[in-house]
Amino acid sequence: DSGVTQTPKHLITATGQRVTLRCSPRSGDLSVYWYQQSLDQGLQFLIQYYNGEERAKGNILERFSAQQFPDLHSELNLSSLELGDSALYFCASSVEGGGPSATQYFGPGTRLLVL
Amino acid sequence: AQSVAQPEDQVNVAEGNPLTVKCTYSVSGNPYLFWYVQYPNRGLQFLLKYITGDNLVKGSYGFEAEFNKSQTSFHLKKPSALVSDSALYFCAVRDELMDSSYKLIFGSGTRLLVRP
Repeated sequence: DSGVTQTPKHLITATGQRVTLRCSPRSGDLSVYWYQQSLDQGLQFLIQYYNGEERAKGNILERFSAQQFPDLHSELNLSSLELGDSALYFCASSVEGGGPSATQYFGPGTRLLVL
Repeated sequence: AQSVAQPEDQVNVAEGNPLTVKCTYSVSGNPYLFWYVQYPNRGLQFLLKYITGDNLVKGSYGFEAEFNKSQTSFHLKKPSALVSDSALYFCAVRDELMDSSYKLIFGSGTRLLVRP
């Protein structure tokens, strides 16, 4: 158990809908990262938050957004869902800003299926 | 740009035999390399990392990895495979984003199948 929790474990929804994925980082970790794992794209970085502020963006679609709250949990919002958004979404956390020696610890993921 | 490559989609090995899962990297600057394992319906679990220092890195569950700068490789190894080691293994490299913030760039993954 990495100490990173994600809810829900599974999510089934329809095209055009909006969903929210939730992540709680390990105790003491200020950075939260979101990754998407899909069959065609593999594991890709989406976005990072550090202590409540957006730190960096990766291959994140404009339909997707995230935020980190004062208690450091983070939510990833996916809207206007398309079939291709079906994937496993991981959250990871690391200490501080995630310096070169910091390890990212991953949660169990949320499996999203868009029908 | 930083990248890693895992040349084998699948590795098959008999239980008790040594195993190697290959990874090569391409980086500018110092490489920071990681191995993660993904069991079915589970998240990514950290195995080990290379930051600097000894070329042989020891990690969790009896795994180790050998960093080879001249061959730009970071192969994952285990002296004696277990059936329970069967899983999907990912090599990753740290990529600097900004302001000392980093993301991981993952390889395509290698499925390890250990037969009894």
